[in-house]
Amino acid sequence: RKEVEQDPGPFNVPEGATVAFNCTYSNSASQSFFWYRQDCRKEPKLLMSVYSSGNEDGRFTAQLNRASQYISLLIRDSKLSDSATYLCVVLNAGNMLTFGGGTRLMVKP
Amino acid sequence: NAGVTQTPKFQVLKTGQSMTLQCAQDMNHNSMYWYRQDPGMGLRLIYYSASEGTTDKGEVPNGYNVSRLNKREFSLRLESAAPSQTSVYFCASSVLTGEVTGNTIYFGEGSWLTVV
Repeated sequence: RKEVEQDPGPFNVPEGATVAFNCTYSNSASQSFFWYRQDCRKEPKLLMSVYSSGNEDGRFTAQLNRASQYISLLIRDSKLSDSATYLCVVLNAGNMLTFGGGTRLMVKP
Repeated sequence: NAGVTQTPKFQVLKTGQSMTLQCAQDMNHNSMYWYRQDPGMGLRLIYYSASEGTTDKGEVPNGYNVSRLNKREFSLRLESAAPSQTSVYFCASSVLTGEVTGNTIYFGEGSWLTVV
């Protein structure tokens, strides 16, 4: 079993739709959690950190469920520019980051 | 502010050839990393350096060597390239502190390597 697992997609949604991705992690001692965005043939960039109480940044909402060991990302009112691959990232002991395989989102007009 | 700079951006090698990927950061970060990314596999850690003068193996170190030349520079060397090393390579640096607000890793733009 991979340490961080994501549905690879692609998720094909129309503009304006709401879409959600989940990510599961296997290490119960994981400390911190993040969502990164990666555009085609570009480097990953931090989208948002995920806090225990859940957090929102504009149209993006991240949630953490430690009991079930998953994190989620909700995107409201999808834009064409949201089309990208979203990487779930977990920080473990020793400050080591583990990346999920990514979920590809395609927003269509 | 250049951030993380890696070279070359594209390279084609023949099996058995050697090459070095160069990486430099200007953010005064202690930690630096080399990842490879293959389709459907996500980013996998090859080697990392928690501080100047130290290096450690990551998940997939075989076939690679690294040098932390100074605080700014961290190079990755392929001594005898193999087709299985065809991949996209990302250098990164970070200020990971264990606190969420201090955790950010910055990536270079990537190096596309093809071994034929």
